[in-house]
Amino acid sequence: DGGITQSPKYLFRKEGQNVTLSCEQNLNHDAMYWYRQDPGQGLRLIYYSQIVNDFQKGDIAEGYSVSREKKESFPLTVTSAQKNPTAFYLCASSMWTENTGELFFGEGSRLTVL
Amino acid sequence: DAKTTQPNSMESNEEEPVHLPCNHSTISGTDYIHWYRQLPSQGPEYVIHGLTSNVNNRMASLAIAEDRKSSTLILHRATLRDAAVYYCILGDSNYQLIWGAGTKLIIKP
Repeated sequence: DGGITQSPKYLFRKEGQNVTLSCEQNLNHDAMYWYRQDPGQGLRLIYYSQIVNDFQKGDIAEGYSVSREKKESFPLTVTSAQKNPTAFYLCASSMWTENTGELFFGEGSRLTVL
Repeated sequence: DAKTTQPNSMESNEEEPVHLPCNHSTISGTDYIHWYRQLPSQGPEYVIHGLTSNVNNRMASLAIAEDRKSSTLILHRATLRDAAVYYCILGDSNYQLIWGAGTKLIIKP
C-alpha cells in the first residue's frame, strides 16, 4: 500500500541527547514536510523539502536538522539545542509544494524527553 | 499571515448533517481554503479544499461565501467515525499553511 511510514511511534530520550525520527514515503512525491504538534494546538512547520538534496526552514527550525538524500526519505534530527523537544512529530508529503493539493501524513512519532 | 477563526467544539447527532463554520476575514486573493481532520494520536487526513466555488467530494462539501471571508464544511450525514478535530486552513502553497487549534466535533449516538 502507498503511504508514509514514520518510526518509531514512541521514543523516550534523556535531556541532552540527539534523536533521529525516520520518515519514508512510497508515493513518489517530490515534497516532504516535518511538523510539530503540542497538546491542543495546531501543527507548526519545522522543515520542508521540495526536491532531493534541498530543504528549507519552516517556522520553528531552531534546534532541528534534516537531510534529503533520497526522494523517499526525509529524516528529522531533534538536537540537544531544542529547548522543549517533547512533542508529537508528524511527517507529510505532497506532489509538490507550490501545488495546494492534498498533504498525506504519517501516523506520527511521539517524543518524550525525560 | 492569513488566519482563521473556528469554534472550539461542536456537537451533532449521528446521521444528521453537520455544518462546521470558519471565518477568515483577512484571506488574500490567492489563498485556498483547506480542511483537514485529525483523530487522537494520528496524523491529519485531508478532507477538501477550494478557492472560490463550492466544492463537493465523497467526504464532504465546502461552501465558500461570495466575499470569501467565511466558509462552511458540510458533512451530509455524520457517523461516529466523523468525530475528530477539524482544521480550516488558508494558504496558496502547502508550506505556507497556518494551522490553528481547530474545532473538536463530537458526535452523539
